[in-house]
Amino acid sequence: QSVLTQPPSVSAAPGQNVTISCSGSSSNIGNNFVSWYQQLPGTAPKVLIYDSNKRASGIPDRFSGSKSDTSATLGITGLQTGDEADYYCGTWDSSLSVGVFGGGTKLTVL
Amino acid sequence: EVQLVESGGGLVQPGGSLRLSCAASGFTVSSNYMTWVRQAPGKGLEWVSVIYSGGLTYYADFVKGRFTISRHNSDNTLYLQMNSLRPEDTAVYYCAKGVINLLYWGQGALVTVSS
Repeated sequence: QSVLTQPPSVSAAPGQNVTISCSGSSSNIGNNFVSWYQQLPGTAPKVLIYDSNKRASGIPDRFSGSKSDTSATLGITGLQTGDEADYYCGTWDSSLSVGVFGGGTKLTVL
Repeated sequence: EVQLVESGGGLVQPGGSLRLSCAASGFTVSSNYMTWVRQAPGKGLEWVSVIYSGGLTYYADFVKGRFTISRHNSDNTLYLQMNSLRPEDTAVYYCAKGVINLLYWGQGALVTVSS
């Protein structure tokens, strides 16, 4: 059971847009930045978004991040088949003094 | 260019020990927050431990008392000493630069705990 809650899967057709949600609490998302990671099969995770809404170096502007209260959202526009991957949100939990991740969301581009 | 390279993974029996290394280049480990994250086969990411630049350390409950994070300044390397290993510790272990924003990751080291 992850501290941060993500939908297990989302799917959409190429060219369409999707959002992936990440729900937490006041001790984690509510008081800390959120980061988002993309993990392609068989590879290490790669940061997409840091500080809740900043794109990491080399990440196209099709990817965006936002945060509101105790939830965060990753948006992907103009889906491409190469976007098929697992996506994770992460942050720090100030009450538990540990890092926390969401359970991950598998994106399928139909 | 920032690079992180893990080593030291392998097969170990339950109750055994293993030490993972994470050799860093392009930045100074002791001046940065460094994190270990693991991923069991077919599962999601799981935060393990962090060491702050000042030396403060934090651990996930499931490794507290068994794992120790440390760094060696002279060779710019991060370590994870893992004792009393259990089958459920089987995972790919990644080192990463940062604490909330993990901007750089290593390629991972596979640890298999099995008899």
